[in-house]
Amino acid sequence: KNQVEQSPQSLIILEGKNCTLQCNYTVSPFSNLRWYKQDTGRGPVSLTIMTFSENTKSNGRYTATLDADTKQSSLHITASQLSDSASYICVVTVRSNDYKLSFGAGTTVTVRA
Amino acid sequence: AAGVIQSPRHLIKEKRETATLKCYPIPRHDTVYWYQQGPGQDPQFLISFYEKMQSDKGSIPDRFSAQQFSDYHSELNMSSLELGDSALYFCASSLARSSYNEQFFGPGTRLTVL
Repeated sequence: KNQVEQSPQSLIILEGKNCTLQCNYTVSPFSNLRWYKQDTGRGPVSLTIMTFSENTKSNGRYTATLDADTKQSSLHITASQLSDSASYICVVTVRSNDYKLSFGAGTTVTVRA
Repeated sequence: AAGVIQSPRHLIKEKRETATLKCYPIPRHDTVYWYQQGPGQDPQFLISFYEKMQSDKGSIPDRFSAQQFSDYHSELNMSSLELGDSALYFCASSLARSSYNEQFFGPGTRLTVL
């Protein structure tokens, strides 16, 4: 069973609108949570990284929140642009010697003009 | 800033052939990770190396092997290729003692097995 669950699986939004992606995890012991943006056929690119003590972190129009108590995170995209069309992957890191990554299945965002 | 470099970017092989994928980590990074991503799937961890020693092993088939060299670049060797090996193969690198041990991903190698 995947320890990182993302919702929705996909969504379509109009250019300029906002959207929020959700991530729930059961990974333990928790080290940090990352949101990656992955364009089709490309490697994932890190957007934000948060440890358990951080509630929110922003990177331009991307804002991530983390509630370590409920093990939930969200990624909010503000004023979406066509270039935001991509898969957004929530990744949770296990506190171990190798900081193994647990990947969510991703949310595919399509921004339309 | 320098990023993770992977070569080749695209590779086409036939069944039962061998393939070698190369990964050049970000300078001064000491850890390399290999992932396999099938169509519509999330990346699956294959294997990692820290300071040229294998540090962790995931779902890497016995037909695959990998190593990290003295210059920290890594190679993933794949033998007796099967159709199911067709996937994107990502390499990531990190600096083990950094605050987040953040993994930076390369652009990937798309392997197609015919």
